[in-house]
Amino acid sequence: QQPVQSPQAVILREGEDAVINCSSSKALYSVHWYRQKHGEAPVFLMILLKGGEQKGHDKISASFNEKKQQSSLYLTASQLSYSGTYFCGTETSGGSYIPTFGRGTSLIVHP
Amino acid sequence: SAVISQKPSRDICQRGTSLTIQCQVDSQVTMMFWYRQQPGQSLTLIATANQGSEATYESGFVIDKFPISRPNLTFSTLTVSNMSPEDSSIYLCSVDRLSSGANVLTFGAGSRLTVL
Repeated sequence: QQPVQSPQAVILREGEDAVINCSSSKALYSVHWYRQKHGEAPVFLMILLKGGEQKGHDKISASFNEKKQQSSLYLTASQLSYSGTYFCGTETSGGSYIPTFGRGTSLIVHP
Repeated sequence: SAVISQKPSRDICQRGTSLTIQCQVDSQVTMMFWYRQQPGQSLTLIATANQGSEATYESGFVIDKFPISRPNLTFSTLTVSNMSPEDSSIYLCSVDRLSSGANVLTFGAGSRLTVL
């Protein structure tokens, strides 16, 4: 079942913050986050496995709620290099370990 | 993580023809995955390719339309057969690797196919 991502698009200025949400109607085994720049391959950012988990690096972090049905990606003090399309991919318990991807959130950071 | 090379990077094809996309990985991998990304859309899994066995196709994708070969542990091909404009998409090859105790995906840069 495809996760639902919101918003579909975000336009920011450098230095502003953004939050991208990913939700499922079922409890999830894991949530993956990927970023795809235009014309390039999607690149893995991070994976969350435990309810209540938060992880991140640099100024990009993510959380996985206690019920394991919703994850949020936080981009703090956005840089131009953060521009791209962000996909969440979810695995359900008992399902294939290959993630099912949401429709993506387009993030554009302006100077 | 693995480095994946795909060929061609882009092509323009005529309706009714077929095109084969190649995917080469710089290390041996058990499974390779083929995805389709239609314009502005999500990454949709077409099939999983294991070496030495027939590919496993996802719902909505059939072998006659998307035949896959996996002759060894570093190479796979996806053919898009009897193409129509609806097949215009980016086709991506990917492999999985372990990260933080879970399998995550590494993607090739994709093959952008335009069907006229």
